[in-house]
Amino acid sequence: GQQVMQIPQYQHVQEGEDFTTYCNSSTTLSNIQWYKQRPGGHPVFLIQLVKSGEVKKQKRLTFQFGEAKKNSSLHITATQTTDVGTYFCAAEYGNKLVFGAGTILRVKS
Amino acid sequence: EPEVTQTPSHQVTQMGQEVILRCVPISNHLYFYWYRQILGQKVEFLVSFYNNEISEKSEIFDDQFSVERPDGSNFTLKIRSTKLEDSAMYFCASSEGGIIYTFGSGTRLTVV
Repeated sequence: GQQVMQIPQYQHVQEGEDFTTYCNSSTTLSNIQWYKQRPGGHPVFLIQLVKSGEVKKQKRLTFQFGEAKKNSSLHITATQTTDVGTYFCAAEYGNKLVFGAGTILRVKS
Repeated sequence: EPEVTQTPSHQVTQMGQEVILRCVPISNHLYFYWYRQILGQKVEFLVSFYNNEISEKSEIFDDQFSVERPDGSNFTLKIRSTKLEDSAMYFCASSEGGIIYTFGSGTRLTVV
């Protein structure tokens, strides 16, 4: 079906530690997008992955798309307090985005 | 940077009343969307709109909901008879063609 599973639901890390969130789909995806939502804010587009096995980096953020295009991950190296928020993956199905449940990241300084 | 603008930022309404949420998408975008997010939950698709008609809608988007693009710039979501469970953040979004979705800052709807 059209759903994307995302884990973990919540992660609380010490500043400087790494963070990873994972998304899985039972079906092959045409692409996957990642969004960040700050507390009280709206989803902000981070990146789109399209190709099988694709890896993209944005400073301390590394995004991967699985070889089978059924899973994806977002890894943050050396988290900072500015990284707090909820990270959502979202898959495009036809004319809509279907969001994962999100991973809430809290960073202790 | 171009923005999607939503008004009002917060609306409180009595159960059973009609509400209209307003959005101004990015001017050169062709696809428009409404999503909602119940507090603490994930973002849920409501409806997509292209070429002046609904292109897809979810099960949530029942007969109580309607969308309209009354002029060249506004995109509205109407809820005819609000229920308590309609309380949520409603996000408008637009895209050029599904590559990057730009979300507005949302309208917090509280039904009392």
